[in-house]
Amino acid sequence: DGGITQSPKYLFRKEGQNVTLSCEQNLNHDAMYWYRQDPGQGLRLIYYSQIVNDFQKGDIAEGYSVSREKKESFPLTVTSAQKNPTAFYLCASSMGGQSQETQYFGPGTRLLVL
Amino acid sequence: SQKIEQNSEALNIQEGKTATLTCNYTNYSPAYLQWYRQDPGRGPVFLLLIRENEKEKRKERLKVTFDTTLKQSLFHITASQPADSATYLCAPGGDSSYKLIFGSGTRLLVRP
Repeated sequence: DGGITQSPKYLFRKEGQNVTLSCEQNLNHDAMYWYRQDPGQGLRLIYYSQIVNDFQKGDIAEGYSVSREKKESFPLTVTSAQKNPTAFYLCASSMGGQSQETQYFGPGTRLLVL
Repeated sequence: SQKIEQNSEALNIQEGKTATLTCNYTNYSPAYLQWYRQDPGRGPVFLLLIRENEKEKRKERLKVTFDTTLKQSLFHITASQPADSATYLCAPGGDSSYKLIFGSGTRLLVRP
């Protein structure tokens, strides 16, 4: 059953703590993305990766970090430097390397600050 | 800066009617535009893509238009059903990048 999985569904962060959100895909896609969605706002791009071992900052990368060591995996770390992390985080993938591509989204992770 | 505008107010219509959602963009010349559906607490799902050289695209009860002069795309759902109730996002894309810019979405409510 092909698709994108994100875990956990809900994540709680304490002050000063780094947390990592998981994103895995078995679609054999080269490109992967992380978005943040706040209530009443559109999706904002945090980081994206066109190929393994390479990634670029999106529009709101400050306070976040990523890695792309495997094609299937693109974990996002929300660091303590991100002062307002409460949001719905969405991971997506696309075939990669071409424009006009459809993006396939995971179910999302909701991050809450304790 | 590039700006994507969708109606922030929910669109409330009767079952069986046609729903029309609007997406306007400024300071941008997208080569294509995608529409996604998002249900509460879930990730968006791709619906349709229309390119700048296409005036109209159809898929079952869905129709999308793309007017590059008006800088606007219209998304129509004919014979709407309560199951069509969701938030619809437009996402224009550039011709040299696969980065999409998403609008904030319009919530559609279809009353039985």
